[in-house]
Amino acid sequence: EVQLLDSGGRLVQPGGSLRLSCSASGFQFMNYGMGWVRQAPGKGPEWVSSLSVSGRDTYYADSVKGRFSISRDNSNNTLFLEMKNLRVDDTALYYCAKASSSIHFHFDKWGQGTPVTVSS
Amino acid sequence: ETVMTQSPATLSLSPGERGTISCRASQSIGSKLAWYQQKPGQAPRLLVYGASVRATGVPAVFSGSGSGTDFTLTINSLQSEHFAVYYCQQYNDWPLTFGGGTKVEMK
Repeated sequence: EVQLLDSGGRLVQPGGSLRLSCSASGFQFMNYGMGWVRQAPGKGPEWVSSLSVSGRDTYYADSVKGRFSISRDNSNNTLFLEMKNLRVDDTALYYCAKASSSIHFHFDKWGQGTPVTVSS
Repeated sequence: ETVMTQSPATLSLSPGERGTISCRASQSIGSKLAWYQQKPGQAPRLLVYGASVRATGVPAVFSGSGSGTDFTLTINSLQSEHFAVYYCQQYNDWPLTFGGGTKVEMK
């Protein structure tokens, strides 16, 4: 069974940093694109970032470009999101998501989400 | 950026009725369109990709159609478990973008 376990979310002050992790199991992690999608309370999903199977190709929403960094460890089936200079409007539930293939970035499996709250 | 516009924002229907949700892209995305269902407290669930291909395990009550800029998700014979929020997402280009959502509620 495909499983994605998101973790790392917590309360952080504006300007702070955070590292989210996603532990994957039940599929050949190294063969699939991956991504992060966030959802603010009462809002729809917002794509944050994705990366290729090797991790060499990375993509970011304009709202996080230069502040967030996505990476993966194919040896340990883990996806990461490094978040710096966090802002109040980064507050959301962050989902790790598995792309349906190496090149098609619609997401066929999602984690349970890890909450990030940015507040003083 | 490809902007995805869904309509209506809310769809009020009775069990057994058919529901139709529209999604329009600001530029052509071919068939690179996915639909998701989200229930309260849950992550989105993939229903359709490639505009019309049902994802694994998705019942035939859901059907997608369209190409280019105009797409439709149809839910035939609504049951209680279908009342939820539905989102479209384009994956033709970066950044990936979602529609604003359509809430299907019981009349």
